[in-house]
Parts: sequence; structure tokens; C-alpha cells
Amino acid sequence: EAGVTQFPSHSVIEKGQTVTLRCDPISGHDNLYWYRRVMGKEIKFLLHFVKESKQDESGMPNNRFLAERTGGTYSTLKVQPAELEDSGVYFCASSLGLAGVVTDTQYFGPGTRLTVL
Amino acid sequence: AQSVTQPDIHITVSEGASLELRCNYSYGATPYLFWYVQSPGQGLQLLLKYFSGDTLVQGIKGFEAEFKRSQSSFNLRKPSVHWSDAAEYFCAVESDSSYKLIFGSGTRLLVRP
Repeated sequence: EAGVTQFPSHSVIEKGQTVTLRCDPISGHDNLYWYRRVMGKEIKFLLHFVKESKQDESGMPNNRFLAERTGGTYSTLKVQPAELEDSGVYFCASSLGLAGVVTDTQYFGPGTRLTVL
Repeated sequence: AQSVTQPDIHITVSEGASLELRCNYSYGATPYLFWYVQSPGQGLQLLLKYFSGDTLVQGIKGFEAEFKRSQSSFNLRKPSVHWSDAAEYFCAVESDSSYKLIFGSGTRLLVRP
């Protein structure tokens, strides 16, 4: 079974440009999460989709970040315009989302390393 | 607010030596706790998790962790470290208001030959 995949693995852009990151969750997983790790700090939550709906976007830093999950399959995270402080590693995770369970294991992708110059 | 603390930024051990990585959390109720590992160039891999029941949890790659409510700790242990264990280790707790994970800042493990 394929794991969570992310594309690209690395992206280097200039300040003010736009970048779109993609995440393909494990097939059949309803829950999809985005996290970010900036410059050796802790990994921080950005947002959570259940199927195509945004369940929790409390971690999104500002309106330069736009996440979508059309059709409830893959997700994209767009940063427009990118700023220097957006540099970091962006992780995607997915989980099955079983109804009625107390909690649910998240499986992570390899991350996209974004560098804004 | 919930938080996770990993007091050690770096730890160096000799191959074959035992290992303990510390993790402390702040949470009122029974937490759901996780340890993940990130090897160079890889994503985060789940080592083990604690939801309830037996406080000593066994994971993959010979790791175990013990939940101690009185100390608000969930330390990760391995009796004999292998060179391939060199990686960064993250402790996490699930938020009490959603499924999101709250991570510690990570501990980077170096293994001496």
C-alpha cells in the first residue's frame, strides 16, 4: 500500500512568488492534515480536512495560505505571495477517520522543503 | 494550553548502549501520546502510541515508552542502540479539542561507532 506522498520534495522560490504544494493521502483516508516545521522549531499544525471540508484551520498563519481538497482526495497548499518566513518543511499526514473511535493514527509524508529567497 | 517538552535537543550515545529520550506533556485528562522518528531524507514514521491501558508500550524497531501520569512523562527507551537509529525523534500529544497533534521540538540522536 502506498504511503502519503508529497510533491515537490524541494522548492526554491523568490519572495513574492507563488508556490503550490501537493499531498496525496493514503487511499481511503478521509482525514488529511497539513503541518509545518520552521527552522528547527517544533512541528506545528496548519489545518485539517475531513474529506473535502475544512474541519480545523486554526493553525493557518495568514491569508497568504490557501489549502484545498477538491473531491476529498489529494490536497494542495498554495502560498501567495511567499515571504521569507514561510521557509520550512511542510508535512502532510492522513488518517483513516473511523466513526466513533477515540483517536486515529496519522501517517506522515516525507515533507516538502520550501526555501524562500 | 497543551504543550510537549523534549528537554534534550541533542543526545549522543555509543552503539550498543541504552537510550532514553525524555518527553513531558501538559494535559489535564488522559493524553493520547505518540513518538515519531524522522530519519535523514525520510518522513515521520510512527514508533509507538499510547491511548490507554498498559502504561508500558512496545513499538517498532525495539523501542518502548512508559507513560507516567504522576510525572507527566512519556519517555522513549531502547536497550541497545544501533547506528541506524541515528535520527530525530518527536514526541507528540493529541489535542483535547481536535485530532491535531502537538509536537515537542524534537531530539536529535547521534550514534557513536
